[in-house]
Amino acid sequence: DIQMTQSPSSLSASVGDRVTITCRASQSISSYLNWYQQKPGKAPKLLIYAASSLQSGVPSRFSGGGSGTDFTLTISNLQPEDFATYYCQQSYSSPPITFGQGTRLEIK
Amino acid sequence: EVQLVESGGGLVKPGGSLRLSCSASGFTFSDYSMNWVRQAPGKGLEWVSSIGSRTSTYIYYADSVKGRFTISRDNAKNSLFLQMNSLRAEDTAVYYCARGIGFGGGWFDPWGQGTQVTVSS
Repeated sequence: DIQMTQSPSSLSASVGDRVTITCRASQSISSYLNWYQQKPGKAPKLLIYAASSLQSGVPSRFSGGGSGTDFTLTISNLQPEDFATYYCQQSYSSPPITFGQGTRLEIK
Repeated sequence: EVQLVESGGGLVKPGGSLRLSCSASGFTFSDYSMNWVRQAPGKGLEWVSSIGSRTSTYIYYADSVKGRFTISRDNAKNSLFLQMNSLRAEDTAVYYCARGIGFGGGWFDPWGQGTQVTVSS
């Protein structure tokens, strides 16, 4: 199984900051990497698919990059509504589909 | 509007059974693979099962549920199901259904609001 490791596990930042979350795969997954945002008590929401494609309706301050084993999710100009937990997910090797453990983004 | 609505969750004793349903609307259900993902209290996301589109061309399960859970779909009724048998305390979670899109295992969009399953005596 492909293991997905996110770093950091938690992160404190201020409104207006730029933050980057990293996701590392245990083996190459090409660009089969997706990012989700989850707010407390809510379902996850797709942000980025295929490593760098922005889902329709998602603000352009969100961007994704990387290929192979190392990927990033960058949020520019943090807004209050961006404080949430973020998950990466690989879809290269299925089954199983695997998620990272999550990164909790908190207000400083 | 593309929408998924889960139902069927509840409190069940260890060893018991539950059948979850997911009703889809706003898209051609039979064109898409469908998935179940769960989230235990305070934990991350765990993929549970996937089923292919149309003729259910493939069915996959996580090792943690293989042999106990059965995924199925009724394309005529735009519905996805998860039959859960021999439930254990560690199956306690919010269960989400999600539409699968794209190549490989795909990405999941949208997700339903989730249904709570609690396994406890």
